[in-house]
Amino acid sequence: QVQLVESGGGLVKPGGSLRLSCAASGFSLSDHYMTWIRQAPGRGLEWVSYINEDADSIYYADSVRGRFTISKDNAKKFLFLQMSSLTRDDTADYYCVRGAPGTYTGMDVWGQGTTVTVSS
Amino acid sequence: QSVLTQPPSVSAAPGQRVTISCSGSTSNIGNNYVSWYQQVPGTPPKLLIYANDERPSGIPDRFSGSKSGTSATLVITGLQTGDGADYYCAAWESNHRVGLFGGGTTLTVL
Repeated sequence: QVQLVESGGGLVKPGGSLRLSCAASGFSLSDHYMTWIRQAPGRGLEWVSYINEDADSIYYADSVRGRFTISKDNAKKFLFLQMSSLTRDDTADYYCVRGAPGTYTGMDVWGQGTTVTVSS
Repeated sequence: QSVLTQPPSVSAAPGQRVTISCSGSTSNIGNNYVSWYQQVPGTPPKLLIYANDERPSGIPDRFSGSKSGTSATLVITGLQTGDGADYYCAAWESNHRVGLFGGGTTLTVL
């Protein structure tokens, strides 16, 4: 069964750091690009970061570039998002999402999300 | 304000047809595929359309997508009460190498 399960969310103070993990099952990370998408409370979807199959193409939204780092371990089937210098604007549900080959934004499998709350 | 522009809301009666537009520019919709997502509040989004007009397996043919120039359209026919949700378009932005979402459209099935 194709599945993505995120973990690592929680409450963190402004300026703090957090590492999100996403466990993939039922498919190989080396066959798909992966993205992180977030959604602030009551707001729309925001694309955060992209990593391709071989991890040699990585992109970030302007709002997180320089603070967030996406990575993955194909062998262990994990995707990560290292987040630092967090601000209240980073408060959101974070989704780990699988990409459909041949597209940049056709994302066909979504995790249930993990909640990050940045507050003092 | 989103680079991809969607109407904030649309409404229609059960059984009717509704269209949701997504307007962008050459560097995003014009030169890249468009995808559409459905999100029921409290649940993760679901892919409805990818590569402008392709449906993933399991998505009924009541949902269709199209693209013309720098705009895209999602059409839902035979509306059902369960179609009430938020709908988002998405496209790649070639100039900045980032993904973009529209602001979302809330569909109310009256």
